[in-house]
Amino acid sequence: DAMVIQNPRYQVTQFGKPVTLSCSQTLNHNVMYWYQQKSSQAPKLLFHYYDKDFNNEADTPDNFQSRRPNTSFCFLDIRSPGLGDAAMYLCATSPRLGTDTQYFGPGTRLTVL
Amino acid sequence: AQSVTQLGSHVSVSEGALVLLRCNYSSSVPPYLFWYVQYPNQGLQLLLKYTSAATLVKGINGFEAEFKKSETSFHLTKPSAHMSDAAEYFCAVRRDYGGSQGNLIFGKGTKLSVKP
Repeated sequence: DAMVIQNPRYQVTQFGKPVTLSCSQTLNHNVMYWYQQKSSQAPKLLFHYYDKDFNNEADTPDNFQSRRPNTSFCFLDIRSPGLGDAAMYLCATSPRLGTDTQYFGPGTRLTVL
Repeated sequence: AQSVTQLGSHVSVSEGALVLLRCNYSSSVPPYLFWYVQYPNQGLQLLLKYTSAATLVKGINGFEAEFKKSETSFHLTKPSAHMSDAAEYFCAVRRDYGGSQGNLIFGKGTKLSVKP
């Protein structure tokens, strides 16, 4: 089945230690999104890629970076995680910008010690 | 600016009872509206969407929602709750302005509990 896969499902890191979260998709969608979802809050869009074009939300901290080496893979890099970065990180895809439906992966829960 | 407001962060119903989750939107243009469901430690799954066609939208798992422009509402309903419906539900509107046009703006979510 075509799907959005996130690895790992659970990630523990130390304060200030760089961490990378991975997302892959078999849907061949052009757009990939990264959301941050803190406990009992709505998902908050960090940035998205339309093909190779990177679009950062205005309020996304510089601590968060992303890479998309090819259509299938997208990475979220947190350069120096703080305690406030502990959250669920959701990856999503859509065929094109403005498309109605986004397809979400299961998420990676990040713990910062 | 566009936004969605979900009334009630937590709703509890008995199994077999009506489920009603409320969502009101704010938009200066005809909105595209969505309901997503999130089970514990899972990603979001689309339940249904309104894209300016029929105002009564039927989704998966027996859910439906009605778009009411006069009330700026898009409430989610299900006639008879099942234990498996226990989850968090998010209403969202598609952003139609600025550099992030097409992205989703989510409400804060409503956690649904179903009592046996």
